[in-house]
Amino acid sequence: AQKITQTQPGMFVQEKEAVTLDCTYDTSDQSYGLFWYKQPSSGEMIFLIYQGSYDEQNATEGRYSLNFQKARKSANLVISASQLGDSAMYFCAMREGPGLTGGGNKLTFGTGTQLKVEL
Amino acid sequence: EAQVTQNPRYLITVTGKKLTVTCSQNMNHEYMSWYRQDPGLGLRQIYYSMNVEVTDKGDVPEGYKVSRKEKRNFPLILESPSPNQTSLYFCASSPTLTGGNGYTFGSGTRLTVV
Repeated sequence: AQKITQTQPGMFVQEKEAVTLDCTYDTSDQSYGLFWYKQPSSGEMIFLIYQGSYDEQNATEGRYSLNFQKARKSANLVISASQLGDSAMYFCAMREGPGLTGGGNKLTFGTGTQLKVEL
Repeated sequence: EAQVTQNPRYLITVTGKKLTVTCSQNMNHEYMSWYRQDPGLGLRQIYYSMNVEVTDKGDVPEGYKVSRKEKRNFPLILESPSPNQTSLYFCASSPTLTGGNGYTFGSGTRLTVV
């Protein structure tokens, strides 16, 4: 079974509108971390936001917020007031475990959502 | 500036010709790993290293080798590249205990094997 599922291969949003990118995850660990990365057409991976499994508040970073629903195992990214520069591929990723031993620092990625912001 | 440096950025090679993609980090991170990115598959881990001389397979290790002789360097070796290894490759590093923005990715290496 996929550990990270992104069900939206592509999305369109109008400039200045908000958009939600979906991400669900599967893990039996109690301690884990959830990440969102942005990949523009130039190819680099840009870190956007992080949510720890024990964090009670949803993470926010500027126009980005992570809607963390632990019971539903979802970690949706919300981008408010979309800009043309937000057009990119977005990846949800998970680190299982606290990152102490073995492969615990491994990031498991979803298949990505291609976001296109239109005028 | 804290960074992970990968070289080359772009590489076109022929089937069977050995190649090495270099990765170097200047943050004294213990953990380093290689990922490949393919359309519709996201990023998948190839190999990782917890520290010097400690390496292990990730999810898709076939056809690749790595070494970790120094803490800062983690080269990816393709002994006999094949067209199915055409992909975008990323090196990443992090401290052993990490969360949040603890991961640093290289800029990527776009490899084409013909």
